[in-house]
Amino acid sequence: KAGVTQTPRYLIKTRGQQVTLSCSPISGHRSVSWYQQTPGQGLQFLFEYFSETQRNKGNFPGRFSGRQFSNSRSEMNVSTLELGDSALYLCASSLVLPGDYGYTFGSGTRLTVV
Amino acid sequence: AQTVTQSQPEMSVQEAETVTLSCTYDTSESDYYLFWYKQPPSRQMILVIRQEAYKQQNATENRFSVNFQKAAKSFSLKISDSQLGDAAMYFCAYRRSGTYKYIFGTGTRLKVLA
Repeated sequence: KAGVTQTPRYLIKTRGQQVTLSCSPISGHRSVSWYQQTPGQGLQFLFEYFSETQRNKGNFPGRFSGRQFSNSRSEMNVSTLELGDSALYLCASSLVLPGDYGYTFGSGTRLTVV
Repeated sequence: AQTVTQSQPEMSVQEAETVTLSCTYDTSESDYYLFWYKQPPSRQMILVIRQEAYKQQNATENRFSVNFQKAAKSFSLKISDSQLGDAAMYFCAYRRSGTYKYIFGTGTRLKVLA
């Protein structure tokens, strides 16, 4: 079966712009989580969605937002981009409660802000 | 707050030899899950092994096994018969039962020498 699909793979944006990243979970998975990975901060939890509802949010500014659609696909949006938002953004999905069996991750979107 | 510490930024092992990656964590909870993830250059995080805190028995998955010491809050990963394909970043992760986010360590880069 298809894995977690993230698009695009790479993205270059200018400071002040906004960006939308997409994540399609494994078929049947209803939980989708997003993480930001940077060399300095490591992997940081952004938010988690289940059945179109945000259940938990990490310690990120309001410029970071997300949503989940009825087909479980998820998007995250970053507005007013800053240089520090350059990172690998990873999406992960799971079938039941997240973590019971571990996430399945996508290959990420590499965002570069110039 | 819970924390996860990986004190070895980089490790090397000869092909076919055994290597152990260290992870310690701090929590006041009794019910939680621990994971090891592998991130090769392809960027996709791959679940290697998981451990439920209430289980005394150490988890094993083929060449991968853990040494889970709950009282010491230690969760090391042993890789036996190391292969070139094992070269990657390895992340230790913690999730408290009832929550929806993982806390990751900073990672250990494993090099496998032919």
